[in-house]
Amino acid sequence: SQQGEEDPQALSIQEGENATMNCSYKTSINNLQWYRQNSGRGLVHLILIRSNEREKHSGRLRVTLDTSKKSSSLLITASRAADTASYFCATDAMDSNYQLIWGAGTKLIIKP
Amino acid sequence: EAEVAQSPRYKITEKSQAVAFWCDPISGHATLYWYRQILGQGPELLVQFQDESVVDDSQLPKDRFSAERLKGVDSTLKIQPAELGDSAMYLCASSLAGNRYEQYFGPGTRLTVT
Repeated sequence: SQQGEEDPQALSIQEGENATMNCSYKTSINNLQWYRQNSGRGLVHLILIRSNEREKHSGRLRVTLDTSKKSSSLLITASRAADTASYFCATDAMDSNYQLIWGAGTKLIIKP
Repeated sequence: EAEVAQSPRYKITEKSQAVAFWCDPISGHATLYWYRQILGQGPELLVQFQDESVVDDSQLPKDRFSAERLKGVDSTLKIQPAELGDSAMYLCASSLAGNRYEQYFGPGTRLTVT
């Protein structure tokens, strides 16, 4: 079963613009993670945010978590062509019995 | 920087044949995951190991798939017999100790069943 759902499914923006992706989930979580996947490659961990945190930054990435709305957002500022990839959220649900639940991803295209 | 190794990177096999994938996690990582990913979808967990023990294989089609991590280090995922619907990317990941930590992924094995 899918816990996380990313929105939008696809996003196309001009280089230099900011990109925002959202993730909604259904049950209470211990943490939420964001990953990037370039075409045909393995996934790369971006940020892990714990349930007692509201915001985290890493370089051009900013992640927020709203546990009352069961949602998270990933903001990429000053986008670059190299940011073109699929972005996935994964949740460690409190009742998941170990399993990390993944969404279907947002496909981001940065146009030069 | 330490990486998760997987082999082969690509595999083409005929249906009904056996196929095996190998994964070597980052040294010291107790948790190892095998995922299947179909194009355009998120990863689907097949099996999760904590050291040499299976902690979750609820999504593993046990009639044809098997996985082992005998010494709690590297791992093998086998499919026998392969079916057309098994064509997908098979990803291995490891983490320090479970889902409280980030996962590190290998490059994956792209399986095509003909």
